[in-house]
Amino acid sequence: GAGVSQSPRYKVTKRGQDVALRCDPISGHVSLYWYRQALGQGPEFLTYFNYEAQQDKSGLPNDRFSAERPEGSISTLTIQRTEQRDSAMYRCASSLAGTGLRGSEQYFGPGTRLTVT
Amino acid sequence: AQSVSQHNHHVILSEAASLELGCNYSYGGTVNLFWYVQYPGQHLQLLLKYFSGDPLVKGIKGFEAEFIKSKFSFNLRKPSVQWSDSAEYLCAVKNQGGKLIFGQGTELSVKP
Repeated sequence: GAGVSQSPRYKVTKRGQDVALRCDPISGHVSLYWYRQALGQGPEFLTYFNYEAQQDKSGLPNDRFSAERPEGSISTLTIQRTEQRDSAMYRCASSLAGTGLRGSEQYFGPGTRLTVT
Repeated sequence: AQSVSQHNHHVILSEAASLELGCNYSYGGTVNLFWYVQYPGQHLQLLLKYFSGDPLVKGIKGFEAEFIKSKFSFNLRKPSVQWSDSAEYLCAVKNQGGKLIFGQGTELSVKP
């Protein structure tokens, strides 16, 4: 079946512009996660949703970052007034179950490579 | 705060050599443990996972990992690597909060 998809795959933007990154999870998956990965580092948690409810946004670095999942399926991560330090790979993952240790594993999309010039 | 440490940033091996990648985590409670792999040009794929039970878990492509609770470790092993195993390997911990906490990753290069 179809996996997690993300768009765009690559995004180059100028400093100060807003960007919106999209994630389409596996159909039926309850939980959706956003991570950010800098070069040479592992992914770092940003935020996650169960259905349409944002459960944890503790990883969002500042108020320029926001995310939504209005219908409990597709999610959008928005970065306002982008800065060069926002350049990274943004990864989305989904899982069948929600929180708790019996939740299933997370399946990752291909990522969006964001470059802010 | 929880953290995951992978000891080697870059490992270079010859084909048929044995592999062991270290992973240690800091969290006193019950956790799930994962190894993910990213082959060049592809996205993160789950290699293996530990939830409970037998601490020796087997994954895809001949990989296995052993959970040692007393050492807070979850090392990845493979008896004989192939050139096609060249990739980045990421260890991750998941607690009851749901999010994954990753190590910095280990890049494995296998020389043919």
